Amino acid sequence: EVQLVQSGAEVKKPGESLKISCKGSGYSFTSYWIGWVRQMPGKGLEWMGIIYPGDSDTRYSPSFQGQVTISADKSISTAYLQWSSLKASDTAMYYCVRQLRDIVVVPAANWFDPWGQGTLVTVSS
Amino acid sequence: SYELTQPPSVSVSPGQTARITCSGDALPKQYAYWYQQKPGQAPVLVIYKDSERPSGIPERFSGSSSGTTVTLTISGVQAEDEADYYCQSADSSGTVVFGGGTKLTVL
Repeated sequence: EVQLVQSGAEVKKPGESLKISCKGSGYSFTSYWIGWVRQMPGKGLEWMGIIYPGDSDTRYSPSFQGQVTISADKSISTAYLQWSSLKASDTAMYYCVRQLRDIVVVPAANWFDPWGQGTLVTVSS
Repeated sequence: SYELTQPPSVSVSPGQTARITCSGDALPKQYAYWYQQKPGQAPVLVIYKDSERPSGIPERFSGSSSGTTVTLTISGVQAEDEADYYCQSADSSGTVVFGGGTKLTVL
């Protein structure tokens, strides 16, 4: 079974750093892009960025470029999302996702399946 | 920036057909995907490449595309289908975009 298992909920203060994780299993971790999606309380889904664990090629949504860092350690099949200085506005649920692709079609088709269970990040003084 | 527009809410009675739309200028050239999110749970893929259904998703879920609008159709709606539904696609540069979400209420 393909699974993405995320690290547990975090409560942090503004200005603190944080790194959350997403461990993949049941498939070849280095062969699929892994992405991150934010969901603020009571709001919709926002795509943050994506990484290819095979070579660490990383792409960011313009909205999140410079705000977070996405990384991966292929030796332990784990992707990461990190902040160097959290803000209250970073309070949200964060999901990791495996990207599936069909590159035969033009433009290439990209979708997300499965999703991790989510990591709730709360930033409050 | 590119946007996908969904109605905030749709309501149907059990057994009826629910249709949830998603509009965007790039949809004639980009595929659309649909995710179901029940309260307190992670989203689940229910339709990919406009109209393909993943294994394990009931046949009552279907997708279609026409011009700048894609539609998720749920035939014979059941109480368990009550959830938020999000469309996803990409803009002309390939950047992923989600719609704002539609809350499906089963009356």
